Amino acid sequence: EAQVTQNPRYLITVTGKKLTVTCSQNMNHEYMSWYRQDPGLGLRQIYYSMNVEVTDKGDVPEGYKVSRKEKRNFPLILESPSPNQTSLYFCASSPTGALGTDTQYFGPGTRLTVL
Amino acid sequence: QKEVEQNSGPLSVPEGAIASLNCTYSDRGSQSFFWYRQYSGKSPELIMFIYSNGDKEDGRFTAQLNKASQYVSLLIRDSQPSDSATYLCAVIFRTGGFKTIFGAGTRLFVKA
Repeated sequence: EAQVTQNPRYLITVTGKKLTVTCSQNMNHEYMSWYRQDPGLGLRQIYYSMNVEVTDKGDVPEGYKVSRKEKRNFPLILESPSPNQTSLYFCASSPTGALGTDTQYFGPGTRLTVL
Repeated sequence: QKEVEQNSGPLSVPEGAIASLNCTYSDRGSQSFFWYRQYSGKSPELIMFIYSNGDKEDGRFTAQLNKASQYVSLLIRDSQPSDSATYLCAVIFRTGGFKTIFGAGTRLFVKA
């Protein structure tokens, strides 16, 4: 089944404890992206990747890191999480991203709480 | 600052009516425009995209784009209670790569 998977789905952690949220897609998509969703603010793009080893900042990259060493995986790293990073996180992928018309397929979301 | 704005609603329509959802965006260099639907607690799912001026129809849904006015809308004909969800407008901005900006979403309630 074609899908985007995220792990963990739920995470409660404490300030300053490094964490990684994994994202994997099995559709051979070139474009992958991370978003956070907060009430009243909609989805905001954190980072995106046009292909392996090619990443770029979205609108809210501060406090986050990403890497794209393999086409299928795009982990989101919080080196020192803070309470303002408590949010619902979505990973998404699309075939190319190059034409700007590709559908983005979203993972199920990761609900992160930083105490 | 690139912005995408939507009326947060909620928008309430009776079953069978036409629901009209609107979105304005701030950058004339925008590449393409998407409408996603998100049910509570679920991931966004694509309804349709449009990148040329005019109308694009897909079943009960019609997207309308007016680049001169920086305005994109979604019409839902014969609204059903199952259409009750939050509708997200997304704009792709070409900035070397392709950055995606979402509006905050409009909550739609379809009353049976």
